[in-house]
Amino acid sequence: KAGVTQTPRYLIKTRGQQVTLSCSPISGHRSVSWYQQTPGQGLQFLFEYFSETQRNKGNFPGRFSGRQFSNSRSEMNVSTLELGDSALYLCASSLEANAGELFFGEGSRLTVL
Amino acid sequence: QKEVEQDPGPLSVPEGAIVSLNCTYSNSAFQYFMWYRQYSRKGPELLMYTYSSGNKEDGRFTAQVDKSSKYISLFIRDSQPSDSATYLCAMSSNTGGFKTIFGAGTRLFVKA
Repeated sequence: KAGVTQTPRYLIKTRGQQVTLSCSPISGHRSVSWYQQTPGQGLQFLFEYFSETQRNKGNFPGRFSGRQFSNSRSEMNVSTLELGDSALYLCASSLEANAGELFFGEGSRLTVL
Repeated sequence: QKEVEQDPGPLSVPEGAIVSLNCTYSNSAFQYFMWYRQYSRKGPELLMYTYSSGNKEDGRFTAQVDKSSKYISLFIRDSQPSDSATYLCAMSSNTGGFKTIFGAGTRLFVKA
């Protein structure tokens, strides 16, 4: 069974640009969560989607957005990039019944110059 | 105050030692308690998953949850160099969807 796949794995952007990251969950998993990981703040919750609906959102500005498609694949977008957005962005999928049992991808490492 | 507090370490121990990792939390709504292990340049992987209070053992790993004290622990017996990683505690509730909150992670080094 394939794991969670995130693309791209690495990317470099400049301030003011926007970026879109993609996540394909494990087959059969309908919940997808996104996290931002930085050395100073650790893993911070961005949002969670289930059946194309955002059910929970963390404390991030509106520049951070996401969506989920009917096949459960998810994308997140960050607009007007800032230097502080440099981080590892992790996607995790889970089954509906197992809250907290998250299966993570290897992440997309974003560097903003 | 953060919802989940975890000492970031680093924690360095000799091979074969018993390791104790801990977290405290403030939100009494948390029902699910997890420990994840993260190797460098990898995503976190689930080690232990516990619902409500109690102990759970899996091989060399034991997770303990004390909801009355809002305190969770992970014990690693007979630690190995391959256990060197960052260990993250995590907690969630399933009210209105999933929102799993992570601790800062403790970096563990097991010396051969």
